[in-house]
Amino acid sequence: QQQVKQSPQSLIVQKGGISIINCAYENTAFDYFPWYQQFPGKGPALLIAIRPDVSEKKEGRFTISFNKSAKQFSLHIMDSQPGDSATYFCAASSYNFNKFYFGSGTKLNVKP
Amino acid sequence: DVKVTQSSRYLVKRTGEKVFLECVQDMDHENMFWYRQDPGLGLRLIYFSYDVKMKEKGDIPEGYSVSREKKERFSLILESASTNQTSMYLCASKFSPASGSGSYEQYFGPGTRLTVT
Repeated sequence: QQQVKQSPQSLIVQKGGISIINCAYENTAFDYFPWYQQFPGKGPALLIAIRPDVSEKKEGRFTISFNKSAKQFSLHIMDSQPGDSATYFCAASSYNFNKFYFGSGTKLNVKP
Repeated sequence: DVKVTQSSRYLVKRTGEKVFLECVQDMDHENMFWYRQDPGLGLRLIYFSYDVKMKEKGDIPEGYSVSREKKERFSLILESASTNQTSMYLCASKFSPASGSGSYEQYFGPGTRLTVT
């Protein structure tokens, strides 16, 4: 059973627009929700992460919105730029877990 | 800065060959992981290790084995490479919950793109 479901699989956004990627999880024991950004030919790098004690976390143009009751979280990229074109993965884990559970990834293409 | 390095960025092997992929981390992390990444399938966990000589199967262990003789080094072994093992292989590491570090983060290496012909 897939523990973390991510959508959409791909996304095309115009420069300056807002990119939104959604994830849903099953296990209520998860208490750490990171987003990773991966450029072609590179390993994923941590972009931003949230704990469930807050509903939103913002770092520059990147915001995570978290809805604990719905077991959903999303990544918003404001003023999207061509340099944001990459694959984005959501994940879920817990401090007491050894493993991370990853979404299937979203390929973002920001058109100039 | 945490550094996770992988022995090769690109590798081409023939069907039936034994293949070794090596990963080294410099942050004294207890936990190390091997994933494979395929388009549309995301990251799938092959094996992970939570201590020297300790390992656990992930979601897709068939056709793979691992070795962890030193804390900083985790090797993935393809005993007899097959074409369906052509993929991007990613190594990662993190502190164990038992370490008391308080850190959740998992760090990835740059990946090895393996082609089996």
